[in-house]
Amino acid sequence: SQQGEEDPQALSIQEGENATMNCSYKTSINNLQWYRQNSGRGLVHLILIRSNEREKHSGRLRVTLDTSKKSSSLLITASRAADTASYFCATKDSNYQLIWGAGTKLIIKP
Amino acid sequence: EAGVTQSPTHLIKTRGQQATLRCSPISGHTSVYWYQQALGLGLQFLLWYDEGEERNRGNFPPRFSGRQFPNYSSELNVNALELEDSALYLCASSPNPEQFFGPGTRLTVL
Repeated sequence: SQQGEEDPQALSIQEGENATMNCSYKTSINNLQWYRQNSGRGLVHLILIRSNEREKHSGRLRVTLDTSKKSSSLLITASRAADTASYFCATKDSNYQLIWGAGTKLIIKP
Repeated sequence: EAGVTQSPTHLIKTRGQQATLRCSPISGHTSVYWYQQALGLGLQFLLWYDEGEERNRGNFPPRFSGRQFPNYSSELNVNALELEDSALYLCASSPNPEQFFGPGTRLTVL
């Protein structure tokens, strides 16, 4: 079973709007990571948030973590066409392997 | 600094054949991870190599195997190919916890 589950599966917004994606997980974690994948190619690491952190920023990205609800959200502000991609969250299981959700496909319309 | 490289970019095989995929990690990284990503889905963990040894494997049949060489590059071998093996195969190297991904090899089994 998947550790991370992203929601929504797909999101289409106008350029300039904000995009919010959510991730839920099942077990306790040390950290949670968000990655981006363009056009079915390799993934790029975006941001890591540790279990003792509640919020983290990186440029136009804002990640929150609620360990009591076992959930995280990724907010992309002032979206651009280049943000069109699939976004994945990942957490580590008890064998220290990254477990991935199915991702949120984000489409930014010009 | 060169990133993770994978070869070939595309590979087309027929059912029953064998496929070999290659990965070179970032210089200095000793861990290599292999993932399978079927079309439109999340990543499924295949194999983890570190310091030349297989450390963990995902829930895949034994016909998925691999090895890591002394220079930390790695090979993934898939024997007796089945149509369902068609997917993007991603390799990542890691200093932990972040993973750096290669562009992937798209394997098509006809």
